Amino acid sequence: DGGITQSPKYLFRKEGQNVTLSCEQNLNHDAMYWYRQDPGQGLRLIYYSQIVNDFQKGDIAEGYSVSREKKESFPLTVTSAQKNPTAFYLCASRMDRYGDTQYFGPGTRLTVL
Amino acid sequence: AQSVTQPDIHITVSEGASLELRCNYSYGATPYLFWYVQSPGQGLQLLLKYFSGDTLVQGIKGFEAEFKRSQSSFNLRKPSVHWSDAAEYFCAVEGAGNNRKLIWGLGTSLAVNP
Repeated sequence: DGGITQSPKYLFRKEGQNVTLSCEQNLNHDAMYWYRQDPGQGLRLIYYSQIVNDFQKGDIAEGYSVSREKKESFPLTVTSAQKNPTAFYLCASRMDRYGDTQYFGPGTRLTVL
Repeated sequence: AQSVTQPDIHITVSEGASLELRCNYSYGATPYLFWYVQSPGQGLQLLLKYFSGDTLVQGIKGFEAEFKRSQSSFNLRKPSVHWSDAAEYFCAVEGAGNNRKLIWGLGTSLAVNP
């Protein structure tokens, strides 16, 4: 089955620790995205990548980092510099064409204690 | 600046009733327009999208949306709501030159009464 995998579903970390969220897709999509979702705030773009070895900051990139070493993988690291990391994180991918559908993973809920 | 407004934060309807969720956008030309649905604790799923052609677009799960250029709107409708339609609904737009980024509305939460 083709799709987007995010792991784990739930993640708990202590304050001050870095944590990496996994995102893998087997859809052969060029572009990948990371969003953060908080209640009442919709989807906010953290980082996106249109091609391997290249990525761009979104609207709320501070305190986060990414890499895109392989087409199918786009991991997100939440660093200790992120002031309020507890949130629901969504990964998405699409072909890099105007109007193409974004496909979403099931999300990872991160709780920092 | 481009923007998407979903005026209704929360809507409650009775099962079997009709539904209309509003979406207004601000963009210089006609952008690509999308409606997505999100069940609690899940990812988002595309319901339908529009760029050109017939202004009434059919989607999955019995949903449709109508594009009205004069009102800069792209409202989502369903003739008869089912309890399983309870979810969060997001409108989004993509304009040419956006570097493949979508602009998202804040969402409308739909509750369905039995």
